[in-house]
Amino acid sequence: SQTIHQWPATLVQPVGSPLSLECTVEGTSNPNLYWYRQAAGRGLQLLFYSVGIGQISSEVPQNLSASRPQDRQFILSSKKLLLSDSGFYLCAWRPGNTEAFFGQGTRLTVV
Amino acid sequence: QKEVEQDPGPLSVPEGAIVSLNCTYSNSAFQYFMWYRQYSRKGPELLMYTYSSGNKEDGRFTAQVDKSSKYISLFIRDSQPSDSATYLCAMSGGDSNYQLIWGAGTKLIIKP
Repeated sequence: SQTIHQWPATLVQPVGSPLSLECTVEGTSNPNLYWYRQAAGRGLQLLFYSVGIGQISSEVPQNLSASRPQDRQFILSSKKLLLSDSGFYLCAWRPGNTEAFFGQGTRLTVV
Repeated sequence: QKEVEQDPGPLSVPEGAIVSLNCTYSNSAFQYFMWYRQYSRKGPELLMYTYSSGNKEDGRFTAQVDKSSKYISLFIRDSQPSDSATYLCAMSGGDSNYQLIWGAGTKLIIKP
C-alpha cells in the first residue's frame, strides 16, 4: 500500500534562517506531488505541484521554492524565513488526476 | 466569486443527529468530487470520492453530487462526538485536472 511521510511534525525557526521540509511517498511511482499551506481556521492554499522529476509549478509567488530531486521525493525550501511564513504545511500526492492523500503536516513557527 | 463555496460554520448538532454538509461550485467541467475530514493539527483524511453525478455510501457517510445544480453534499448518519472535525470539499476536472480546488472547510461540532 502507499504511504506518505512528511517531517518534521513541528519546527520553530528564527527569522532569516533557512528552511527545508521533506516529503516522500512509498508504494507508487510517478505520483503528482503537492505542497499546501493552511492558515489557522482557513482552507488549503496550493503552493507548488509537480507532475515529474524536476518539473515544478508555482502557484503563489513568495519566499519559498520547491524541488523534486527523485520521483517520490518533494522538498520545500526557503533561503531566509519571514514571520509571514509561519503556518501549517502539508504535502500530498495523487496517483493521477483523482483523489489526493496527505501527510500529517508540519507546523512551522517563525520567531 | 470563489470557484468553490463552503459555509465555514461552526455547525453544532447533538449526538445521533443526521448532519448535512454542502459545497457549491461554479465550474461545470469538474468531474471528480471529494470530501475530507481534518482533525485539529492533522493532515486531511479522505472520506469519500465520487466521479461525476450520483450517490455513494460508505458506512454512516453518504456523498451526493448534483452536477445540474453544481452542488455536492456529505451526509453523516448517527453522528458521534468523534465526528467533530473540519470537513473540506475538493474537486477537479477540465482545466483544473492537475489541481484540486478546495472549499474553505466547515467546522462540525457534535455535542454529547
